[in-house]
Amino acid sequence: EPEVTQTPSHQVTQMGQEVILRCVPISNHLYFYWYRQILGQKVEFLVSFYNNEISEKSEIFDDQFSVERPDGSNFTLKIRSTKLEDSAMYFCASQQTDTNEKLFFGSGTQLSVL
Amino acid sequence: SQQGEEDPQALSIQEGENATMNCSYKTSINNLQWYRQNSGRGLVHLILIRSNEREKHSGRLRVTLDTSKKSSSLLITASRAADTASYFCATPGGQTGANNLFFGTGTRLTVIP
Repeated sequence: EPEVTQTPSHQVTQMGQEVILRCVPISNHLYFYWYRQILGQKVEFLVSFYNNEISEKSEIFDDQFSVERPDGSNFTLKIRSTKLEDSAMYFCASQQTDTNEKLFFGSGTQLSVL
Repeated sequence: SQQGEEDPQALSIQEGENATMNCSYKTSINNLQWYRQNSGRGLVHLILIRSNEREKHSGRLRVTLDTSKKSSSLLITASRAADTASYFCATPGGQTGANNLFFGTGTRLTVIP
C-alpha cells in the first residue's frame, strides 16, 4: 500500500538553527498537511497546502515556519530559527482529493531543540 | 474551537472485553473520523462517519454519531493486545476546501493479555 514517507526520523538541533523536515506524500494525492504533537499532548494542525500554495495555517504557523513543494514530489517544512518549544513530533499527511477526506500520515520526524 | 475531546483519557481492559471511547465536539460537522496511533508512530485512519449517518461498522469497530449531542463513540469489540494504542477523534475545521482535521486529546487504550 502506498505510504507517506518522512525524513529524517529524528533531528537534533541547536536553538536558533534552521531545520528542514522532508516528506514524500502519496503520489496521486493533491492536499498536503503538516501537524505536530508535543510529547503527551494532542496532535495540532499547522498548515494545509494545495495547488502549490498554502490553503490555511494555524496560529502556531508563524513567520518562522514555511512550506514548499519544490519538485512535485517532496513537501518540506522549514523552521527558520528554532526555539526550545518547537521540540515535538512533526507529522506530514496527504489527502487524495477534497471529497475523499481520509488523511494518510507519515511516521513523523522527532525534532529535539537543545 | 472545533477540536474534539475524548473520554476517558485512559482505559485499561482485559483481552476479549469491549472498549468504548467517546468524543465530543463543538460545532457543526460534515464528518467525523477516528484515528489510531501506536506509541511514537503516525496516525492511522480507522473509520469515517458522515453527519447523515448514525452508525457505521468496520470489522470489530463500531462508530456512532449523534449530531444533536455533538458526540461520537468508538466501540472495539473482542479486544486484543494488539489494539493497545491511542485513539483520536478528528473533525474537519477548514474554511477552505482543504480538510484540515482537528484532533482531540485522545484515549490511551491498554489491552491486557
